[in-house]
Amino acid sequence: GNSVTQMEGPVTLSEEAFLTINCTYTATGYPSLFWYVQYPGEGLQLLLKATKADDKGSNKGFEATYRKETTSFHLEKGSVQVSDSAVYFCAPRTSGGYNKLIFGAGTRLAVHP
Amino acid sequence: DGGITQSPKYLFRKEGQNVTLSCEQNLNHDAMYWYRQDPGQGLRLIYYSQIVNDFQKGDIAEGYSVSREKKESFPLTVTSAQKNPTAFYLCASSKVVSGQETQYFGPGTRLLVL
Repeated sequence: GNSVTQMEGPVTLSEEAFLTINCTYTATGYPSLFWYVQYPGEGLQLLLKATKADDKGSNKGFEATYRKETTSFHLEKGSVQVSDSAVYFCAPRTSGGYNKLIFGAGTRLAVHP
Repeated sequence: DGGITQSPKYLFRKEGQNVTLSCEQNLNHDAMYWYRQDPGQGLRLIYYSQIVNDFQKGDIAEGYSVSREKKESFPLTVTSAQKNPTAFYLCASSKVVSGQETQYFGPGTRLLVL
């Protein structure tokens, strides 16, 4: 079936550290891939997306590359800030028929000064 | 400004009571969705609507109902049949550009049972 696996949190980093949040998925068809971010008490915000193999999505210093051969879409940022503290969700969108976003539990990131 | 609004931000339900959560969008999106989020978990799809006057059950529709009489509005009713309604409810809408769909989310409504 369709599923997504993210590294368990919380991920705790010092400000300016390098961030990687791993994401692997199984999905039917050829999914589009999304990262969403949720700040405390808020809804989800689209962070970045990629729609085909080798595409790189980027936004606000975050990047992720669509790796079809490893079915992965790892999120990276070179230098995190305290304001990046949030929960991050990797979400593949299945293709064929109704296009459905698949959510895992998310990864909580805590950045301290 | 265009966006998705959800109201109220907090909602309290008494035992046996039906409550309705509002979701409005002025983005001219055709499709709208309702998700439920429990603490420490991801989102689960309750209902979705791809066009006015049509909607489909998602993965956890039992105890919920929806309507889609207008393009802009997709209210969710949590009925007394939903035995564990305490959760954070998120509404989303989507647009399709060049054959690719992207969902955008509202700020959410937190439902608590008294």
